[in-house]
Amino acid sequence: ETGVTQTPRHLVMGMTNKKSLKCEQHLGHNAMYWYKQSAKKPLELMFVYNFKEQTENNSVPSRFSPECPNSSHLFLHLHTLQPEDSALYLCASSQEIGGSYGYTFGSGTRLTVV
Amino acid sequence: RKEVEQDPGPFNVPEGATVAFNCTYSNSASQSFFWYRQDCRKEPKLLMSVYSSGNEDGRFTAQLNRASQYISLLIRDSKLSDSATYLCVVNRQGRRALTFGSGTRLQVQP
Repeated sequence: ETGVTQTPRHLVMGMTNKKSLKCEQHLGHNAMYWYKQSAKKPLELMFVYNFKEQTENNSVPSRFSPECPNSSHLFLHLHTLQPEDSALYLCASSQEIGGSYGYTFGSGTRLTVV
Repeated sequence: RKEVEQDPGPFNVPEGATVAFNCTYSNSASQSFFWYRQDCRKEPKLLMSVYSSGNEDGRFTAQLNRASQYISLLIRDSKLSDSATYLCVVNRQGRRALTFGSGTRLQVQP
């Protein structure tokens, strides 16, 4: 596999469920990111990891819990979400933190909370 | 004021037309600049980096004007497949993530 892989591609969950999103990059990058994109809205930064250490939490509610066991894998654990959390969740990676050479995005997880 | 501002469009142009988008950024410490393309319900993909001297990739030309703090994207001979949202993206020294504009939507019509 190459690039950035996200699973699942689609997810429907109830407000009381717990689920996890997974992201894996095969690019040897050091930084990984979670973004949220709601319908017809710009990308919103959620979390930043550098060498598996969290360096930014952009005031994200605690019902979203990231985990980065190593610099190639990133998870987003979800619990007791709200319908307004329905969105496209995008993982990205970059060679170094800040993305001065750009990002590579995964194909995203389209989440629907019912 | 938003850090990166773009006209949301939509820009509706006929096939074969030339279209240009501008993007302004507010912080003069910005260092790297990119245009990304995002198709409907898909992830953004890097279209091209923007260099100080300007750069061209086939039908696409990107320009940077540091004095006026804007970047531009010119698309010549538009194709139906160019229909997408074009995101202006900026990197600033010391920031831990790229800053994305809201995007400009292009619709190329037959």
